[in-house]
Amino acid sequence: QKEVEQNSGPLSVPEGAIASLNCTYSDRGSQSFFWYRQYSGKSPELIMFIYSNGDKEDGRFTAQLNKASQYVSLLIRDSQPSDSATYLCAVNRWNFGNEKLTFGTGTRLTIIP
Amino acid sequence: DTGVSQDPRHKITKRGQNVTFRCDPISEHNRLYWYRQTLGQGPEFLTYFQNEAQLEKSRLLSDRFSAERPKGSFSTLEIQRTEQGDSAMYLCASSLSFSESTDTQYFGPGTRLTVL
Repeated sequence: QKEVEQNSGPLSVPEGAIASLNCTYSDRGSQSFFWYRQYSGKSPELIMFIYSNGDKEDGRFTAQLNKASQYVSLLIRDSQPSDSATYLCAVNRWNFGNEKLTFGTGTRLTIIP
Repeated sequence: DTGVSQDPRHKITKRGQNVTFRCDPISEHNRLYWYRQTLGQGPEFLTYFQNEAQLEKSRLLSDRFSAERPKGSFSTLEIQRTEQGDSAMYLCASSLSFSESTDTQYFGPGTRLTVL
């Protein structure tokens, strides 16, 4: 079982709709959860992080965390063509002195105009 | 630009040659990470530094790989006797971390290595 699993996609969403990206993780000791966006040929760009159960909103983005189900998701409202990218889910155990990120393989999102 | 910078951005080398990459973190960030990413995969952790101390190395980091962060500022990653399997994007990230807070890592643009 992979430590962090994502559906590789591609996920196609019409412009203006809600894109829903999902991620599951296997390590129950995971404390912090991150979503990065990566355009083709570029490096990962941080979108947001979450470490408490529930929802966290930032503009058009909402991260949702359910530690009991070991599940984290990212919702993108009012999807724009510029949102077309690969979205990487990453987790860490946050144990001061041991904070490497473990990434999923990413979900490729395409917004259809 | 006050973000993480990496140099060079692209490197093409022949198998068996040594290469060295440099990373300059965001000013005052005390942690610096190296990751490697191949096509279709997420970044994989290689090693990280807190200030000048190298605190963890992945099993992915063979003896041919060495990293340094003298004086706790920039870092270098050297690969000796490169192999074709070393071809990847090498990513550097930095963070400002102190106890009781989560560690948010910001990535540089990466160095794309091609070993012929």
